[in-house]
Amino acid sequence: ETGVTQTPRHLVMGMTNKKSLKCEQHLGHNAMYWYKQSAKKPLELMFVYNFKEQTENNSVPSRFSPECPNSSHLFLHLHTLQPEDSALYLCASSQGTTNTEAFFGQGTRLTVV
Amino acid sequence: AQSVTQPDIHITVSEGASLELRCNYSYGATPYLFWYVQSPGQGLQLLLKYFSGDTLVQGIKGFEAEFKRSQSSFNLRKPSVHWSDAAEYFCAVGAGNFNKFYFGSGTKLNVKP
Repeated sequence: ETGVTQTPRHLVMGMTNKKSLKCEQHLGHNAMYWYKQSAKKPLELMFVYNFKEQTENNSVPSRFSPECPNSSHLFLHLHTLQPEDSALYLCASSQGTTNTEAFFGQGTRLTVV
Repeated sequence: AQSVTQPDIHITVSEGASLELRCNYSYGATPYLFWYVQSPGQGLQLLLKYFSGDTLVQGIKGFEAEFKRSQSSFNLRKPSVHWSDAAEYFCAVGAGNFNKFYFGSGTKLNVKP
Protein backbone atom coordinates (compact mmCIF):
# COMPACT_ATOMS: atom_id res chain seq x y z
CA GLU A 1 0.00 0.00 0.00
CA THR A 2 1.81 3.09 -1.20
CA GLY A 3 -0.88 5.61 -0.30
CA VAL A 4 -1.18 6.66 -3.94
CA THR A 5 -3.70 4.75 -6.00
CA GLN A 6 -3.99 4.89 -9.76
CA THR A 7 -6.82 3.56 -11.89
CA PRO A 8 -7.04 1.86 -14.23
CA ARG A 9 -3.83 -0.18 -14.11
CA HIS A 10 -4.05 -0.94 -17.81
CA LEU A 11 -5.78 0.92 -20.62
CA VAL A 12 -6.00 0.28 -24.34
CA MET A 13 -7.53 3.05 -26.40
CA GLY A 14 -7.93 3.99 -30.00
CA MET A 15 -6.60 7.23 -31.39
CA THR A 16 -10.07 8.76 -31.55
CA ASN A 17 -11.13 7.76 -28.06
CA LYS A 18 -11.43 9.92 -24.98
CA LYS A 19 -10.38 8.40 -21.67
CA SER A 20 -9.24 9.56 -18.24
CA LEU A 21 -6.63 8.37 -15.80
CA LYS A 22 -7.33 8.80 -12.12
CA CYS A 23 -4.98 9.24 -9.20
CA GLU A 24 -5.89 9.48 -5.53
CA GLN A 25 -3.58 10.01 -2.59
CA HIS A 26 -4.39 9.27 1.03
CA LEU A 27 -1.29 10.88 2.52
CA GLY A 28 -2.53 14.40 3.18
CA HIS A 29 -0.08 15.81 0.65
CA ASN A 30 -0.44 19.15 -1.09
CA ALA A 31 1.38 18.49 -4.34
CA MET A 32 0.60 16.00 -7.07
CA TYR A 33 2.48 15.10 -10.24
CA TRP A 34 2.06 13.30 -13.52
CA TYR A 35 5.09 11.56 -15.02
CA LYS A 36 5.42 9.70 -18.30
CA GLN A 37 7.73 6.70 -18.47
CA SER A 38 8.53 5.43 -21.96
CA ALA A 39 10.85 2.60 -22.83
CA LYS A 40 14.51 3.61 -22.88
CA LYS A 41 13.76 7.19 -21.85
CA PRO A 42 14.04 8.95 -18.49
CA LEU A 43 10.94 9.72 -16.51
CA GLU A 44 9.42 12.85 -17.95
CA LEU A 45 7.77 15.31 -15.60
CA MET A 46 4.51 16.36 -17.25
CA PHE A 47 2.49 18.39 -14.77
CA VAL A 48 2.76 19.63 -11.19
CA TYR A 49 -0.09 20.79 -9.00
CA ASN A 50 0.28 22.52 -5.66
CA PHE A 51 -2.81 23.16 -3.57
CA LYS A 52 -4.93 22.39 -6.66
CA GLU A 53 -3.13 24.99 -8.77
CA GLN A 54 -1.03 23.97 -11.75
CA THR A 55 2.53 25.15 -11.21
CA GLU A 56 4.27 23.25 -13.98
CA ASN A 57 3.36 22.25 -17.52
CA ASN A 58 6.44 20.76 -19.09
CA SER A 59 5.48 21.57 -22.69
CA VAL A 60 2.98 18.75 -22.78
CA PRO A 61 0.77 18.50 -25.90
CA SER A 62 -2.79 19.69 -25.45
CA ARG A 63 -4.16 16.21 -26.11
CA PHE A 64 -3.21 15.63 -22.45
CA SER A 65 -5.42 17.66 -20.14
CA PRO A 66 -4.87 17.49 -16.38
CA GLU A 67 -7.44 18.25 -13.74
CA CYS A 68 -6.96 18.61 -10.00
CA PRO A 69 -10.30 19.17 -8.25
CA ASN A 70 -8.75 18.94 -4.77
CA SER A 71 -5.44 18.11 -3.17
CA SER A 72 -6.26 14.40 -3.01
CA HIS A 73 -7.32 13.76 -6.60
CA LEU A 74 -5.63 14.21 -9.92
CA PHE A 75 -6.90 13.27 -13.35
CA LEU A 76 -5.30 13.09 -16.76
CA HIS A 77 -7.83 13.41 -19.56
CA LEU A 78 -6.73 11.91 -22.85
CA HIS A 79 -8.07 12.58 -26.32
CA THR A 80 -6.87 11.96 -29.87
CA LEU A 81 -3.68 10.34 -28.68
CA GLN A 82 -0.93 9.00 -30.91
CA PRO A 83 0.74 5.59 -30.75
CA GLU A 84 3.92 7.24 -29.42
CA ASP A 85 1.92 8.26 -26.35
CA SER A 86 1.88 4.62 -25.27
CA ALA A 87 3.76 4.51 -21.97
CA LEU A 88 3.49 3.97 -18.25
CA TYR A 89 1.90 7.03 -16.66
CA LEU A 90 2.88 7.53 -13.07
CA CYS A 91 1.20 9.73 -10.52
CA ALA A 92 3.06 10.95 -7.45
CA SER A 93 2.40 13.16 -4.46
CA SER A 94 4.50 15.04 -1.93
CA GLN A 95 4.12 17.59 0.82
CA GLY A 96 4.91 20.21 -1.80
CA THR A 97 7.63 21.87 0.23
CA THR A 98 11.36 21.38 0.31
CA ASN A 99 12.86 18.47 2.22
CA THR A 100 10.19 16.01 1.19
CA GLU A 101 10.11 13.05 -1.13
CA ALA A 102 7.66 11.93 -3.76
CA PHE A 103 5.43 8.91 -3.26
CA PHE A 104 4.40 7.09 -6.40
CA GLY A 105 1.40 5.11 -7.48
CA GLN A 106 1.77 1.88 -9.40
CA GLY A 107 1.08 3.52 -12.71
CA THR A 108 -1.31 3.10 -15.62
CA ARG A 109 0.05 1.17 -18.59
CA LEU A 110 -1.46 2.95 -21.60
CA THR A 111 -1.47 1.47 -25.08
CA VAL A 112 -2.71 3.58 -27.98
CA VAL A 113 -3.77 1.55 -31.02
CA ALA B 1 19.36 23.55 -15.44
CA GLN B 2 19.11 20.54 -13.21
CA SER B 3 19.93 17.10 -14.54
CA VAL B 4 20.75 13.65 -13.30
CA THR B 5 23.09 11.23 -15.03
CA GLN B 6 23.27 7.52 -14.43
CA PRO B 7 26.11 6.34 -16.65
CA ASP B 8 25.39 2.62 -16.37
CA ILE B 9 22.30 1.41 -18.24
CA HIS B 10 22.70 -2.24 -17.25
CA ILE B 11 24.73 -3.88 -14.50
CA THR B 12 25.01 -7.59 -13.74
CA VAL B 13 26.39 -8.82 -10.44
CA SER B 14 26.54 -12.20 -8.79
CA GLU B 15 24.40 -12.87 -5.77
CA GLY B 16 26.37 -12.06 -2.63
CA ALA B 17 28.67 -9.63 -4.42
CA SER B 18 28.85 -5.95 -3.58
CA LEU B 19 27.10 -3.34 -5.67
CA GLU B 20 27.67 0.29 -6.52
CA LEU B 21 25.39 2.27 -8.82
CA ARG B 22 26.62 5.64 -9.97
CA CYS B 23 24.73 8.90 -10.04
CA ASN B 24 25.90 12.38 -10.93
CA TYR B 25 23.75 15.46 -10.71
CA SER B 26 23.83 19.02 -11.91
CA TYR B 27 22.04 21.57 -9.77
CA GLY B 28 22.93 25.10 -8.81
CA ALA B 29 21.69 25.06 -5.24
CA THR B 30 21.76 22.57 -2.40
CA PRO B 31 20.37 19.37 -3.87
CA TYR B 32 17.86 17.07 -2.33
CA LEU B 33 18.81 13.62 -3.57
CA PHE B 34 16.93 10.36 -3.77
CA TRP B 35 17.25 6.79 -4.90
CA TYR B 36 14.17 4.89 -6.00
CA VAL B 37 13.69 1.28 -7.09
CA GLN B 38 11.16 0.02 -9.62
CA SER B 39 10.12 -3.57 -10.22
CA PRO B 40 8.65 -4.41 -13.64
CA GLY B 41 5.24 -2.84 -14.20
CA GLN B 42 5.25 -1.18 -10.81
CA GLY B 43 5.63 2.32 -9.44
CA LEU B 44 8.74 3.69 -7.80
CA GLN B 45 9.62 2.95 -4.21
CA LEU B 46 11.89 5.23 -2.21
CA LEU B 47 15.10 3.56 -1.04
CA LEU B 48 16.74 6.50 0.66
CA LYS B 49 17.09 10.27 0.61
CA TYR B 50 19.62 12.97 1.41
CA PHE B 51 18.59 16.43 2.51
CA SER B 52 21.43 17.60 4.73
CA GLY B 53 23.78 16.48 7.48
CA ASP B 54 25.66 13.20 7.42
CA THR B 55 26.73 12.53 3.85
CA LEU B 56 26.37 8.76 4.24
CA VAL B 57 22.70 7.85 4.40
CA GLN B 58 21.13 4.52 5.15
CA GLY B 59 18.02 3.26 3.44
CA ILE B 60 15.75 0.29 3.29
CA LYS B 61 16.73 -3.21 2.17
CA GLY B 62 20.34 -2.72 3.28
CA PHE B 63 21.16 0.05 0.80
CA GLU B 64 23.25 3.11 1.54
CA ALA B 65 24.38 6.12 -0.48
CA GLU B 66 27.10 8.70 -0.09
CA PHE B 67 26.76 12.33 -1.09
CA LYS B 68 29.99 13.87 -2.39
CA ARG B 69 29.53 17.52 -3.14
CA SER B 70 32.96 17.92 -4.71
CA GLN B 71 32.15 15.21 -7.25
CA SER B 72 28.43 16.06 -7.62
CA SER B 73 27.74 12.41 -6.97
CA PHE B 74 25.32 10.34 -4.96
CA ASN B 75 26.29 6.70 -5.50
CA LEU B 76 24.19 3.84 -4.19
CA ARG B 77 25.85 0.86 -2.55
CA LYS B 78 24.99 -2.49 -1.06
CA PRO B 79 27.58 -4.83 0.47
CA SER B 80 25.88 -8.09 -0.53
CA VAL B 81 23.28 -8.30 -3.28
CA HIS B 82 20.29 -10.64 -3.09
CA TRP B 83 18.43 -12.06 -6.06
CA SER B 84 15.37 -10.02 -5.04
CA ASP B 85 17.35 -6.81 -5.65
CA ALA B 86 17.03 -7.31 -9.40
CA ALA B 87 15.10 -4.24 -10.56
CA GLU B 88 15.64 -0.83 -12.08
CA TYR B 89 17.14 1.90 -9.93
CA PHE B 90 16.59 5.60 -10.39
CA CYS B 91 18.50 8.51 -8.94
CA ALA B 92 16.59 11.77 -8.58
CA VAL B 93 17.12 15.36 -7.52
CA GLY B 94 14.48 17.53 -5.91
CA ALA B 95 14.51 21.11 -7.12
CA GLY B 96 12.60 24.33 -6.90
CA ASN B 97 10.27 25.86 -4.38
CA PHE B 98 7.61 23.28 -5.02
CA ASN B 99 9.95 20.35 -5.00
CA LYS B 100 9.88 19.14 -8.54
CA PHE B 101 11.70 15.87 -8.99
CA TYR B 102 14.04 15.11 -11.88
CA PHE B 103 15.14 11.58 -12.58
CA GLY B 104 18.06 9.88 -14.22
CA SER B 105 17.50 7.38 -16.99
CA GLY B 106 17.83 4.44 -14.62
CA THR B 107 20.16 1.49 -14.15
CA LYS B 108 18.78 -1.98 -14.64
CA LEU B 109 20.31 -4.46 -12.22
CA ASN B 110 20.51 -8.16 -13.02
CA VAL B 111 21.59 -10.62 -10.32
CA LYS B 112 23.26 -13.88 -11.31
CA PRO B 113 22.70 -16.90 -9.08
